[in-house]
This record gives sequence, C-alpha cells and structure tokens, in this order.
Amino acid sequence: GAVVSQHPSWVICKSGTSVKIECRSLDFQATTMFWYRQFPKQSLMLMATSNEGSKATYEQGVEKDKFLINHASLTLSTLTVTSAHPEDSSFYICSARKPFTEAFFGQGTRLTVV
Amino acid sequence: AQSVSQHNHHVILSEAASLELGCNYSYGGTVNLFWYVQYPGQHLQLLLKYFSGDPLVKGIKGFEAEFIKSKFSFNLRKPSVQWSDTAEYFCAGAPNTGTASKLTFGTGTRLQVTL
Repeated sequence: GAVVSQHPSWVICKSGTSVKIECRSLDFQATTMFWYRQFPKQSLMLMATSNEGSKATYEQGVEKDKFLINHASLTLSTLTVTSAHPEDSSFYICSARKPFTEAFFGQGTRLTVV
Repeated sequence: AQSVSQHNHHVILSEAASLELGCNYSYGGTVNLFWYVQYPGQHLQLLLKYFSGDPLVKGIKGFEAEFIKSKFSFNLRKPSVQWSDTAEYFCAGAPNTGTASKLTFGTGTRLQVTL
C-alpha cells in the first residue's frame, strides 16, 4: 500500500503559539488529502479536505482561521494550528486517497498545548 | 446525510471466540465501504474494503465482511479471535464517485480479547 508520513509525531507548545504539522504522500501524488482530529477513545472527526492548488474545504463547525491548511504540492499538505489553546490538544491525523482506492493514513500527531 | 454507525462500542471476547462487529451506513448512491483497525499507539491500517462485485470480502489477518445492500450493512467477522486482535475497529464509508472522496467514520468499536 501507499505510504503517508506525518511529522512531527508529537509536539508540545505553549498556549498562544502556532504549530505546523506536515503530511506527505511518499510514493504517490495525492491531489486530495484529509485532516482528521481524534479525541481519546473516540472516532475520527473530519476537519477538512485539502485540495492541491486550491482552498481547503472545511467541515461545519471547524474554524478555518484557526486551522490553516495548505496543499502546495501533490505530495505535501500542512495543517497549522494558530494561537493554540489547551482545548486544541488532540491527536491529528492526515490521510491521502487516490480514486478507486482506500485512504492511507499518517501515523498521527499528538498535540499538547500547555 | 451520509453516515456510518457502529452499534457495538466495547466488545470483550475470550480467545478463540467468534467475532461479529456491526456497521450500518446511510448513503444516497453507491458506496465504498472499509474496515480499519487501530492498534494501541499505532496508525490506522486497512483490514478490508468493498467497492463492487462479490459482497463477501476477505481481508487481512483472517477478517472478512459482508456487504448486504438490503440491510445497509457491512459487518465485520472473524471465526476465531486472538489476543493480538485487541484494538479499535472503525467502519468507514465514502460515496462511489470515482474521485478521492472523503471517508466518514463510525464511532469505533473497542475490542478486548482476553486469554
């Protein structure tokens, strides 16, 4: 299967600072990537769909000014959590999908805001 | 609205017991269905997928699932579970649009296999 790499695996930041998470598709070109958020012992909640060369499509209730998504190339999407607060602490997961295939997932990033 | 539901939130089984985890979906058109597993501390891995054709799908590690269109279901089964199957299991669906459409996940089922 395809490989999706996410970096960093974990990050601790101070309240009010911004954090950038990278998601790379290592062996295929992904025109579409997805960002999910997972709370402890809960399911994955889709935050946004990242489209290469265009603006991301955010799910209802997700603040687009807080969670900035950039999909500058066919192999890289970034999620920036701006002015992070403790309630933003969570597990963030990216995935990439080609048409007619399953979604491939990164290993996730655990964000802790202190 | 598109949705996927899993009714078993926490299942505890003894080793060698049979497993069936329920998954129901609600989509307007044709659908692609998936089962993913998340072992503790690891990323999601695909167990199996259904796109079309034979409704009985075989996956990895002895898992299988059956797509029953009339019941809008895609239940996951395994005849004999092992302790190493302890994990979180997620059913997911996506509209079959021919594009890389987004997956919608169920709430997940935590499987605990005891020795």
